[in-house]
Amino acid sequence: SQQGEEDPQALSIQEGENATMNCSYKTSINNLQWYRQNSGRGLVHLILIRSNEREKHSGRLRVTLDTSKKSSSLLITASRAADTASYFCATDSDAGGTSYGKLTFGQGTILTVHP
Amino acid sequence: SQTIHQWPATLVQPVGSPLSLECTVEGTSNPNLYWYRQAAGRGLQLLFYSVGIGQISSEVPQNLSASRPQDRQFILSSKKLLLSDSGFYLCAWSVLRGRGTEAFFGQGTRLTVV
Repeated sequence: SQQGEEDPQALSIQEGENATMNCSYKTSINNLQWYRQNSGRGLVHLILIRSNEREKHSGRLRVTLDTSKKSSSLLITASRAADTASYFCATDSDAGGTSYGKLTFGQGTILTVHP
Repeated sequence: SQTIHQWPATLVQPVGSPLSLECTVEGTSNPNLYWYRQAAGRGLQLLFYSVGIGQISSEVPQNLSASRPQDRQFILSSKKLLLSDSGFYLCAWSVLRGRGTEAFFGQGTRLTVV
């Protein structure tokens, strides 16, 4: 079953605006990851945040994690047309403190950035 | 540097025919390997994972099987394809450290069963 649920399902913005995507999950996790997928291609890892972290930055990306609410958000600042893609959150669930690297993905958010 | 190769990129197969998709990883030893399937417009679903040669775990009951004959080779197979096997198949690898690390994905195989 899909643990991660993302919203919105689709987001359309203008270049230069910020894009925020949210993800909720159900079980305890080792980490939560965000991936990007261009149409018809493989997934590219963007950022990983561990269960004991609350916020992480990478370039124009900012990820927050609230384990009490079992939710995460991905913020892309100053968006560009090249950011147009599908974005997925994925959780690596805690199997008694062991990670097997098995990821449970959300349904994704389709981001369209208009030039 | 590590790379992952997955082929073919696209495949059209008739119902009842066999399937073999191959994935190889370069530049790392003893990776964890994974097969995911993505239905159109949906997220990925984990099908199989492997922590070592000959060690395969299935996550969902299905018409497919997986094998790992070598450390960096992962194969997805079927003896007889069903229409419902159509989808986008992605191979991935990761190296387990502590409480998890990122996964690296191949470019995927789009399988259409007709």
